[in-house]
Formats: sequence, C-alpha cells, structure tokens
Amino acid sequence: AQSVAQPEDQVNVAEGNPLTVKCTYSVSGNPYLFWYVQYPNRGLQFLLKYITGDNLVKGSYGFEAEFNKSQTSFHLKKPSALVSDSALYFCAVRVPGGANNLFFGTGTRLTVIP
Amino acid sequence: NAGVTQTPKFQVLKTGQSMTLQCAQDMNHNSMYWYRQDPGMGLRLIYYSASEGTTDKGEVPNGYNVSRLNKREFSLRLESAAPSQTSVYFCATRDRGQETQYFGPGTRLLVL
Repeated sequence: AQSVAQPEDQVNVAEGNPLTVKCTYSVSGNPYLFWYVQYPNRGLQFLLKYITGDNLVKGSYGFEAEFNKSQTSFHLKKPSALVSDSALYFCAVRVPGGANNLFFGTGTRLTVIP
Repeated sequence: NAGVTQTPKFQVLKTGQSMTLQCAQDMNHNSMYWYRQDPGMGLRLIYYSASEGTTDKGEVPNGYNVSRLNKREFSLRLESAAPSQTSVYFCATRDRGQETQYFGPGTRLLVL
C-alpha cells in the first residue's frame, strides 16, 4: 500500500530565506511524485512532478524538489521565500494501476514572515 | 479556457436532503475524479471515471453516486446528506497518457 508523510504541519520561514517542505513516501514500484499548492479558498495548483530522469525537478514559481530514492524523500525547496508563497502544500504519489489517482499527504502550511 | 469548473461554490444542506455537485471541463481530458478534503487530512478519492461511460469507486464512496454525463461533465450526488459529509469537494481531470491532474476550485458543503 502507498503512503505519504509530511512530518511538519506548519513551517515558518523569513522572507528571503530558503525554504524546505518535507515529504517522504512509500509505494510499490516506481514512484510518481507530485507537489501541489493550495491558496485560501482555491483549488489545488500543480507545482511540479517527478516521473523519471533527473533527481532535481524544477517547477512553477521558482520551486524545485529533489527525489532521493535511498531516503524515499521528495522535499520541496525554494532558494528565496516570498510572502506570496504562504499557502498549504501537498505532496502526493500516484497510486499505480486502477484509477491512477493521487494519494495525498496531510499537507504543510507554509508561512513566510515579512 | 475555463479549465475545470465546479458548481455550486458553497452549499448548506439539512441532514437527509439530496443534492448534486457539478463538474465540467473544457480540457478534453478522458479521466475525471471526485475528491473530498477534510481538515488535517489529505484529499481522498470518492469516485473516478477513466473515460466517458465508465465510473468506479475510490477510497470513500459510501453515501455518494456519480454520473459521467459526457466527456465534459462528471457529477457527484448525495442522496441523503449526513453531517459526516461536511467537507470541501474537488473535481480533477487527467489527460490520457499524462500524469498531472488538474483541479477545480472546489465546492464547500455544510450538512447540518
């Protein structure tokens, strides 16, 4: 069975500092990994994904994520946080076969402090 | 392009009432999904439709029914609403052969 863990419910970072939002996963087979962001009262917006290839994946709004197979992690990073990055971030893994739906972590609320 | 749209945005129901949540997409995607989002939890799959004319249960289907009316539209029906169905409901789509899902803005449902 698949699982996704986001160990931090809340991450606070000062504007201009680097940010990291952590995600670890467990899935049978090759992992397809995703990050989505949710702004207040909005739907989820796709940020980036890892399917295969380079372990460092670049996505929207300057975000990137590093796939680490040995640590089964897919942490989201940004070199310099903006106040507008404050939102709820979800890590997800594709469930192989069947619906090919996404299995989501519980989310991490990022607050960037001016 | 509107992408994925959902109606209504917000609804209040009394226990036992029925309602249908609507989802429409203009992305020409084959697969459509209904998820629910509850506080402190990730999104959970209710039902999905791999293509027009097919539907299947997801992780939490009890108390719901769905209809894939055509390629564009996928509706979610609550026949007899219960307070446990208070949630935010998201529709999503995915193109064949692609992995990324695209989400609508959500419907916030309160069952009293």
